[in-house]
Amino acid sequence: SQTIHQWPATLVQPVGSPLSLECTVEGTSNPNLYWYRQAAGRGLQLLFYSVGIGQISSEVPQNLSASRPQDRQFILSSKKLLLSDSGFYLCAWSVGYAGSYEQYFGPGTRLTVT
Amino acid sequence: KQEVTQIPAALSVPEGENLVLNCSFTDSAIYNLQWFRQDPGKGLTSLLLIQSSQREQTSGRLNASLDKSSGRSTLYIAASQPGDSATYLCAVSRVNNFNKFYFGSGTKLNVKP
Repeated sequence: SQTIHQWPATLVQPVGSPLSLECTVEGTSNPNLYWYRQAAGRGLQLLFYSVGIGQISSEVPQNLSASRPQDRQFILSSKKLLLSDSGFYLCAWSVGYAGSYEQYFGPGTRLTVT
Repeated sequence: KQEVTQIPAALSVPEGENLVLNCSFTDSAIYNLQWFRQDPGKGLTSLLLIQSSQREQTSGRLNASLDKSSGRSTLYIAASQPGDSATYLCAVSRVNNFNKFYFGSGTKLNVKP
């Protein structure tokens, strides 16, 4: 069966510090991978998605970047965090089983920038 | 651009009621529509996925329908239970870019014992 991991689960970082959040998927090959952010009381905002190693689509201009160094690894980074980067970060994956591309989400990382 | 709207934003019902959550989208050229459940502080759990060629999907007490021509989907929950309390979100992907999903802002459901 497939499993998605995110770490860390929670993170408190000062403004101006760097960020690295990691997401890995087990039990599938060549998944589409996604990073979303959910601000308090709001919907999900798609930040980045990737259809293959080294292929990153950025959806919203911002202080963040993403990389996919391996097939089942997706990393979200920032060189200098802003207060507005606080939020709940969710990683997701999908594959085209019978053309369905159903999405599955990880447990999320709660980031607080102080 | 695809806009997804969910109404109502919040709903409180007594245990045992049957209820309907609504999701509407502006571009009918969708590829998939997926319903999720989110518990506070947790990730999203997939409930049902409807492909564009399908009209409905069922899982236990849940039934989701899709009407592409009117740009609407409904999630029907039968015999609601307190454990159903959560936020329910719908998401759609488009035919011309089925890798990208657009989310509604969700309906927060509270089922009272």
